[in-house]
Amino acid sequence: QKEVEQDPGPLSVPEGAIVSLNCTYSNSAFQYFMWYRQYSRKGPELLMYTYSSGNKEDGRFTAQVDKSSKYISLFIRDSQPSDSATYLCAPRPFSGYSTLTFGKGTMLLVSP
Amino acid sequence: KAGVTQTPRYLIKTRGQQVTLSCSPISGHRSVSWYQQTPGQGLQFLFEYFSETQRNKGNFPGRFSGRQFSNSRSEMNVSTLELGDSALYLCASSFLGGEDEKLFFGSGTQLSVL
Repeated sequence: QKEVEQDPGPLSVPEGAIVSLNCTYSNSAFQYFMWYRQYSRKGPELLMYTYSSGNKEDGRFTAQVDKSSKYISLFIRDSQPSDSATYLCAPRPFSGYSTLTFGKGTMLLVSP
Repeated sequence: KAGVTQTPRYLIKTRGQQVTLSCSPISGHRSVSWYQQTPGQGLQFLFEYFSETQRNKGNFPGRFSGRQFSNSRSEMNVSTLELGDSALYLCASSFLGGEDEKLFFGSGTQLSVL
């Protein structure tokens, strides 16, 4: 079993839809949970950053972490065509900030 | 403030050659990490440098090496290139490299090995 699993997609939704992107992990030592967005031919861009369990909201984006089930979610409200990208979850332990374990990412396509 | 800059943007090499990739971190950032991204394996950690010292290393063969200069700029080198080294190589920087630090990535160098 890989440490971090994501459905590769693509996930296709119409503009304005609520999107749910999910990630599971196996390492109980993971304490920090990052979501990165990667556009084609670009580097990953940090989108959301949470510590431990709970929810965090930033504009149209909400990150949710359930450490008991080792499940991470990213919700996008009122999705836009500009949200079309690959979304990567990247959890890590308390130390080892540079050694992120990335999921392979979920490709999201938002059609106008 | 300028982001992480990687050069060159694209590179084509043949098997057996060696290659050097360059990374300039965000101004003031002292930690530089390198990742390899392939369709099959996704993003994998190569190594991290802080104050010119390698602080962490991923599970890659010794053909992959790096260094960091006093101005925090970093280079990574791959010797005796193999076809499987074709990938997007990403550099990321962070300020001090503490527990609460976040990584900021460059756009990467796309390496093709023929």
